[in-house]
Amino acid sequence: QLQLQESGPGVVKPSETLFLTCTVSGGSISSSSYYWGWIRQPPGKGLEWIGSIYYSGSTYYNPSLNSRVTISVDTSKNQFSLKLSSVTAADTAVYYCARSYTGHDYWGQGTLVTVSS
Amino acid sequence: QPVLTQSSSASASLGSSVKLTCTLSSGHSNYIIAWHQQQPGKAPRHLMKLEGSGSYNKGSGVPDRFSGSSSGADRYLTISNLQSEDEADYYCETWDSNNWVFGGGTKLTVL
Repeated sequence: QLQLQESGPGVVKPSETLFLTCTVSGGSISSSSYYWGWIRQPPGKGLEWIGSIYYSGSTYYNPSLNSRVTISVDTSKNQFSLKLSSVTAADTAVYYCARSYTGHDYWGQGTLVTVSS
Repeated sequence: QPVLTQSSSASASLGSSVKLTCTLSSGHSNYIIAWHQQQPGKAPRHLMKLEGSGSYNKGSGVPDRFSGSSSGADRYLTISNLQSEDEADYYCETWDSNNWVFGGGTKLTVL
């Protein structure tokens, strides 16, 4: 059974960079045809797609966040990562990593990141 | 880029059925969508992939009580024999040119 687990700091200071890692187990991140993505959910609000990386390494980002987002993959560790720069309070959210083929079908449990000084 | 519209809330009685709607924006009526369930305090759970033809494929372990259907730009999720654990937020999702979009979600209350 495929499992995804997010890890990273729970608090980030304003203007700094948020960095999260997703560790995939029960399957290879190099498997063809799958995208590996990040989705976030501000407290009490809906889901927002942040960006995805294809198994080949191609990246795709939400246009509203494009200038601040970088997603990368480390196939040797079966992990992919999110960097979000210049964070503000509006970036406070639960961040999920997930696999997508046709829609996101496997999700991590999520990790709360609070932007606060 | 497609937009997905969902009602903000719905309610139905225990043991009854409810039909939730997700509407695709103009020009995107043939798109495939996915339905997800998010119980309070939990991560979203993939329920099914639903095509414009009404054909759907459910995720692993999704009860038979959950089914999907389509009509034009509308995609439906029907939950039969409602249980208390079905009280949750339900999101639809679609994708286009390597961009993914979520609907605003429907909060389902089981009375």
